[in-house]
Amino acid sequence: AQKVTQAQTEISVVEKEDVTLDCVYETRDTTYYLFWYKQPPSGELVFLIRRNSFDEQNEISGRYSWNFQKSTSSFNFTITASQVVDSAVYFCALSEAKAAGNKLTFGGGTRVLVKP
Amino acid sequence: DTEVTQTPKHLVMGMTNKKSLKCEQHMGHRAMYWYKQKAKKPPELMFVYSYEKLSINESVPSRFSPECPNSSLLNLHLHALQPEDSALYLCASSQEPGGNTDTQYFGPGTRLTVL
Repeated sequence: AQKVTQAQTEISVVEKEDVTLDCVYETRDTTYYLFWYKQPPSGELVFLIRRNSFDEQNEISGRYSWNFQKSTSSFNFTITASQVVDSAVYFCALSEAKAAGNKLTFGGGTRVLVKP
Repeated sequence: DTEVTQTPKHLVMGMTNKKSLKCEQHMGHRAMYWYKQKAKKPPELMFVYSYEKLSINESVPSRFSPECPNSSLLNLHLHALQPEDSALYLCASSQEPGGNTDTQYFGPGTRLTVL
């Protein structure tokens, strides 16, 4: 069975500080996919980034960056120079690829509060 | 454009009512999903339609009945719900179920209250 753990339930920072969100996952699949989603108070889940298990290259996209380490089953996410609009709940998610549809298993979420 | 629309935004219903939630996407995606999200919890998968056929049912009670009339539309019919069914219902779609670039895009959700 797949499992995703986000140990941090809530993080509070002051604007312009960096924020790193931790995510640890468990799966028996050799091919799997990892995601980060953002859920602002409005409720919509917004896709942020995706990483395939066979691609461990870490990247930066604007103020977002991620660190995928297969050896430790971790997929951490960093927001650089945080802004008030970054305040939201962030979910890490894991899926395997099935023709029936990719079932997403979510972590418990980390609430990020960015204060001005 | 990665837009998934859902109607209504809010719904209040009694336990004897019958209502429907609607989800629409025009991205040519071939998989559509229903998730249920309780307050302060992550979303939980309910149903998946892959190429317009029900492919996954996560043991959801029969008072929830999904329907996929065509590749762009997904409905969730509600009947005889319980107050504990009050939640945010999220719809998602993805381009190619099973593909290694498949990503789910979510709609804004319907906030359901059962009295």
